[in-house]
Amino acid sequence: GNSVTQMEGPVTLSEEAFLTINCTYTATGYPSLFWYVQYPGEGLQLLLKATKADDKGSNKGFEATYRKETTSFHLEKGSVQVSDSAVYFCALTGQGGKLIFGQGTELSVKP
Amino acid sequence: NAGVTQTPKFQVLKTGQSMTLQCAQDMNHEYMSWYRQDPGMGLRLIHYSVGAGITDQGEVPNGYNVSRSTTEDFPLRLLLAAPSQTSVYFCASRLRSENTEAFFGQGTRLTVV
Repeated sequence: GNSVTQMEGPVTLSEEAFLTINCTYTATGYPSLFWYVQYPGEGLQLLLKATKADDKGSNKGFEATYRKETTSFHLEKGSVQVSDSAVYFCALTGQGGKLIFGQGTELSVKP
Repeated sequence: NAGVTQTPKFQVLKTGQSMTLQCAQDMNHEYMSWYRQDPGMGLRLIHYSVGAGITDQGEVPNGYNVSRSTTEDFPLRLLLAAPSQTSVYFCASRLRSENTEAFFGQGTRLTVV
């Protein structure tokens, strides 16, 4: 079945550091790929998405590229801020439309 | 614009009690789903629905029932609460197309003692 694997956290960075959170997936067919973010005490909200191979999703300085050959969708940001502290979830939708999540990666950014 | 509304926000139950977690959306979304969030486990799909009158099981359906009598509402029922059901529950909705954004409620923190 479909599944998503994320790098384990927590990840602690200093402000302005470079961020990478790895995500790989297993899926039949051609899934759509997403990154969701969860700020403390809140529900999840969409950060970015990509719907086909080689697409790049971007939002708020975050980027991720849909790599079919490596089945990956790694999240990157060139310079993180304290306000980026949150839990980040990689997810996919495949056949049947179920949205499947990875285990989440907690990011803490220190001033 | 209310989006996805979950009630209650917090609940404490005793083992063996029953309760219903409410979820309503006002965006006319066909697809609704329930997840539970546990530390280190991410979000796991409990049940989902692709439209009124249609429901199906997700990854962890045991101990939970759902129904979808209207497009707007998708309640989650716990019939005999167990401590293993202590978790944070999220309801989500989206249009049926697979590449559309899912909108989440604020969550219900449930403790079963």
